[in-house]
Amino acid sequence: GAVVSQHPSRVICKSGTSVKIECRSLDFQATTMFWYRQFPKQSLMLMATSNEGSKATYEQGVEKDKFLINHASLTLSTLTVTSAHPEDSSFYICSAIYLAGKNTDTQYFGPGTRLTVL
Amino acid sequence: AQSVAQPEDQVNVAEGNPLTVKCTYSVSGNPYLFWYVQYPNRGLQFLLKYITGDNLVKGSYGFEAEFNKSQTSFHLKKPSALVSDSALYFCAVRDTGNNRKLIWGLGTSLAVNP
Repeated sequence: GAVVSQHPSRVICKSGTSVKIECRSLDFQATTMFWYRQFPKQSLMLMATSNEGSKATYEQGVEKDKFLINHASLTLSTLTVTSAHPEDSSFYICSAIYLAGKNTDTQYFGPGTRLTVL
Repeated sequence: AQSVAQPEDQVNVAEGNPLTVKCTYSVSGNPYLFWYVQYPNRGLQFLLKYITGDNLVKGSYGFEAEFNKSQTSFHLKKPSALVSDSALYFCAVRDTGNNRKLIWGLGTSLAVNP
C-alpha cells in the first residue's frame, strides 16, 4: 500500500517551455500532497503544500506564478514549471498523505522527476 | 524554532557490523519523528516513525530507532548492516500547527563496505 507515482520520471526541455509533472496516489486517497525540490547532495526543500479543491500554499521564496500547482482530485496533483530556465533544472519529488485512517501523519513519496532545462 | 540536526554527513560501517545514524531535534510540544531512506535518483521511502508509546520503534528492512526525550534524540539503528543499506538517510520532525509539514535534517550518507 501507499504507492505514489510520478510522471514523467525524466524530462529534458528547452528554455522557455513549460513542463507538467504529475503526482498520483495509486492505492489511497490524499487530500494533501507536497511538492519538494532537491539539489544534488542536498536535503529536501519544500516548495508548496497542495490541498484538493483549494489553492496551494507556497513556501516563502517560491514563485507561485512560475510553479503552478493544481490538485483537482483526491489522487492527482500536478506541478507545472512555466517558462522553464536552466536554473529550474532539479529533482522534483512529491509526497502524499492519507485522507483517513491510521497513517494520516506519514508522507509517502513518489519516485521523483528529473528536470533538465537546456 | 523547530529544527532537526543530523550531525554526520557520512557514516561508514563494515558489512555485518551494527550501524547508527544520529538525529537530534528541537520542537515545542510532543514530537512526531520520522526516518526516511533515499536510494540514488529515487524518491524517499518511509522507514519508521515515533508518535507516542514505546520509545523503541521498529520499522522496515530491520531498522529501528530509539526515542530519547531527555536527550532529544531519535537515532536510527540496525544490528547488522548490509551493503544494500548504503543510501541517504533523512530524519524529520512534524511541524507544529495543522499543516502536516515536515522539518527535515540535511541527510546522512551511509556507506556499508563489504
